[in-house]
Amino acid sequence: AQTVTQSQPEMSVQEAETVTLSCTYDTSENNYYLFWYKQPPSRQMILVIRQEAYKQQNATENRFSVNFQKAAKSFSLKISDSQLGDTAMYFCAFMKDSNYQLIWGAGTKLIIKP
Amino acid sequence: SQTIHQWPATLVQPVGSPLSLECTVEGTSNPNLYWYRQAAGRGLQLLFYSVGIGQISSEVPQNLSASRPQDRQFILSSKKLLLSDSGFYLCASQTTLNYGYTFGSGTRLTVV
Repeated sequence: AQTVTQSQPEMSVQEAETVTLSCTYDTSENNYYLFWYKQPPSRQMILVIRQEAYKQQNATENRFSVNFQKAAKSFSLKISDSQLGDTAMYFCAFMKDSNYQLIWGAGTKLIIKP
Repeated sequence: SQTIHQWPATLVQPVGSPLSLECTVEGTSNPNLYWYRQAAGRGLQLLFYSVGIGQISSEVPQNLSASRPQDRQFILSSKKLLLSDSGFYLCASQTTLNYGYTFGSGTRLTVV
């Protein structure tokens, strides 16, 4: 069975700093998708970034980028020039190519300090 | 793009009372639909998912049930609520186009 591990329950950085959230996963699949979701205090779940396992190029979305290491089964999220609005819970998630269900990590609470 | 409507936003119900939470989807057809529960400060627990009208799969045994009477309507129900049913309930929709989920704004349920 697939598992997703986020080893950092909580992180705190100053505004404008760069922060990296870690995520590792365990799977025997070759084709799959990885996601980072953000849940701000409003509790609305928002898709931040998505990565296909067959793509070697790391996905980027403005200030958000990932470091996808397929052999190491690692999928970290880097937030550059962090802003107060980035304060949220961040969840890493995994999806097999043959199954549309997401497997979720436990989340990392990120606090951006002014 | 698709939009998920979920209501009510907040609900306080006494123990033993019935429950009905509704989720409707706009902007897509034949989505996969999901009900999740989230305890405060915790991760997401999948409760039910549906790949089509009348097709419901349950992930966790409990006193909750789900129904999908229409393609873009997903309902979470209970005949008698327990204190342990308190939590934040999220509905999510998924199409095959991008494999991501779109979430509703959630319902905060407190059973007293």
